[in-house]
Amino acid sequence: AQTVTQSQPEMSVQEAETVTLSCTYDTSESNYYLFWYKQPPSRQMILVIRQEAYKQQNATENRFSVNFQKAAKSFSLKISDSQLGDTAMYFCAFIQGGSEKLVFGKGMKLTVNP
Amino acid sequence: DAGVIQSPRHEVTEMGQEVTLRCKPISGHDYLFWYRQTMMRGLELLIYFNNNVPIDDSGMPEDRFSAKMPNASFSTLKIQPSEPRDSAVYFCASSKQKAETQYFGPGTRLLVL
Repeated sequence: AQTVTQSQPEMSVQEAETVTLSCTYDTSESNYYLFWYKQPPSRQMILVIRQEAYKQQNATENRFSVNFQKAAKSFSLKISDSQLGDTAMYFCAFIQGGSEKLVFGKGMKLTVNP
Repeated sequence: DAGVIQSPRHEVTEMGQEVTLRCKPISGHDYLFWYRQTMMRGLELLIYFNNNVPIDDSGMPEDRFSAKMPNASFSTLKIQPSEPRDSAVYFCASSKQKAETQYFGPGTRLLVL
């Protein structure tokens, strides 16, 4: 069974700094997709970024980028120029190609301090 | 697009009452998912539909839970009778195809007293 591990339960960072959130996953498949979702205090689950396993290039969305290390099964999220609005729970998630089931990590609470 | 719409946003009810949660997926999305989020168990997939047909309901906790999707633009999750341990945030999500990005609704926060 596929698993997703977020080993850091909580982090804090100063506004404008850069922070990296770690995620590892376990799968024997070669075709899959990885996601980072953000859940602010409003509880809405918001897609931050998506990475296809077959793509070597790391995905980037404005201040958010990933470091995808397929061999190491690692998928970390880098947030540059942190803003107060980035304060949220962040969930790493995995879905196997051809599947419909999204597997989530337990989440990590990020606090951006002024 | 309006995104996934859920109602109600908050529900407070007493144990034993019937609760119905509603969801409107993004137009054109063929998959609809119901999740439950609690502190203890995190995000759990309860059931999902493809083209209005339930595909996998193995995550539904008990017979007290049922879900329907009568058409492509509407789904319900019903709990009857409700119990305090059902208190959670219930999310609906939809995606266009298999393994595509799932877009979540704002959730329904349910409190059963």
